[in-house]
Amino acid sequence: NAGVTQTPKFRVLKTGQSMTLLCAQDMNHEYMYWYRQDPGMGLRLIHYSVGEGTTAKGEVPDGYNVSRLKKQNFLLGLESAAPSQTSVYFCASTLRWGAGNEQFFGPGTRLTVL
Amino acid sequence: GESVGLHLPTLSVQEGDNSIINCAYSNSASDYFIWYKQESGKGPQFIIDIRSNMDKRQGQRVTVLLNKTVKHLSLQIAATQPGDSAVYFCAEKFPGNQFYFGTGTSLTVIP
Repeated sequence: NAGVTQTPKFRVLKTGQSMTLLCAQDMNHEYMYWYRQDPGMGLRLIHYSVGEGTTAKGEVPDGYNVSRLKKQNFLLGLESAAPSQTSVYFCASTLRWGAGNEQFFGPGTRLTVL
Repeated sequence: GESVGLHLPTLSVQEGDNSIINCAYSNSASDYFIWYKQESGKGPQFIIDIRSNMDKRQGQRVTVLLNKTVKHLSLQIAATQPGDSAVYFCAEKFPGNQFYFGTGTSLTVIP
């Protein structure tokens, strides 16, 4: 199993450009999440999904959109990138929530918006 | 100690000693609390979680204690090793799958 993978690993955008970050998991997990991590801070939840075809807003959803068309993939879109979206983005997945279930994280995507 | 909202940036311990990382949480309705370890340049790694109706849970070399009276969570690492050096985050899960992370505690193990 590859676990959780993220594409791309690094990206530099100009203000106003758009891009899509791809998260894929091969563990048949129901729940998937997108977080951002800024220097010296913990992770903040952007959007999440509790199953194929469903999405919900997290703590900081503005400026982002997501889609979960297939169970194994969770896409994060930036329609018009802003410098404030410079961050490291992490995707995570979990089978379901309950004691003993782990949340698996991908390796991250480092995004810089100029 | 660390708080979801405040943080103690660094903790240094001698190899072989026990480490205690603290966290204060905010929402009495949170139903799970989770500890993660993050090494430089990597994604967070799940360590252990605890349901809100429990006081203590043990894993391999780690113990999480939950004190709901004072909204306090701690992670104890026994016989700390150099490989334990990392940033440790606590997180609380609100009902409805919203997660809130603390800002992290950097643990340095001195050989």
